[in-house]
Amino acid sequence: QQQVKQSPQSLIVQKGGISIINCAYENTAFDYFPWYQQFPGKGPALLIAIRPDVSEKKEGRFTISFNKSAKQFSLHIMDSQPGDSATYFCAASPEIQGAQKLVFGQGTRLTINP
Amino acid sequence: DVKVTQSSRYLVKRTGEKVFLECVQDMDHENMFWYRQDPGLGLRLIYFSYDVKMKEKGDIPEGYSVSREKKERFSLILESASTNQTSMYLCASGIWNTEAFFGQGTRLTVV
Repeated sequence: QQQVKQSPQSLIVQKGGISIINCAYENTAFDYFPWYQQFPGKGPALLIAIRPDVSEKKEGRFTISFNKSAKQFSLHIMDSQPGDSATYFCAASPEIQGAQKLVFGQGTRLTINP
Repeated sequence: DVKVTQSSRYLVKRTGEKVFLECVQDMDHENMFWYRQDPGLGLRLIYFSYDVKMKEKGDIPEGYSVSREKKERFSLILESASTNQTSMYLCASGIWNTEAFFGQGTRLTVV
């Protein structure tokens, strides 16, 4: 019930291409869906997040698409750049009063070839 | 800028040792978390705390304990370190159901 499943585990995209990472969840109580970006030697940092009242959120080249009925959400990186090479984690947070508990996917190692 | 500081970047400990990992945040966040990061397994929650002296088990609490005596500090304790606890440990803090801020991580090796 608490799991978030992420795919693919690794992804190689040419510079300028579109990178797509997918996540699926089971718990219908999740109501906050962030994506985190992690560079080597650093902790994860929030990239973009969405709540289930919208189906899409765009920030620059990064877009989250959210399908509530299918319980799936995805990250799209347009015009992918070598600087986007990192590990990406999707996550979901249930609405537990008084506490925030982020459940993470398994991570996707993205490599953008120049 | 929000800062979450973990006391060590790298640690090497012997099997059976008691290990303390310290984490301090400077944003007055109520919630603090300890995650463990292993390749292919993502980030798994060990413990979290939503108030001073309060703690809740996460998904993999076995072999760990925590302490939160002050709001800004959250400690992870390995009572008797074992080799299967070799991992990257990440501390985070945040406000309820919004962004979590992570420290840089502590890479622990148990030999």
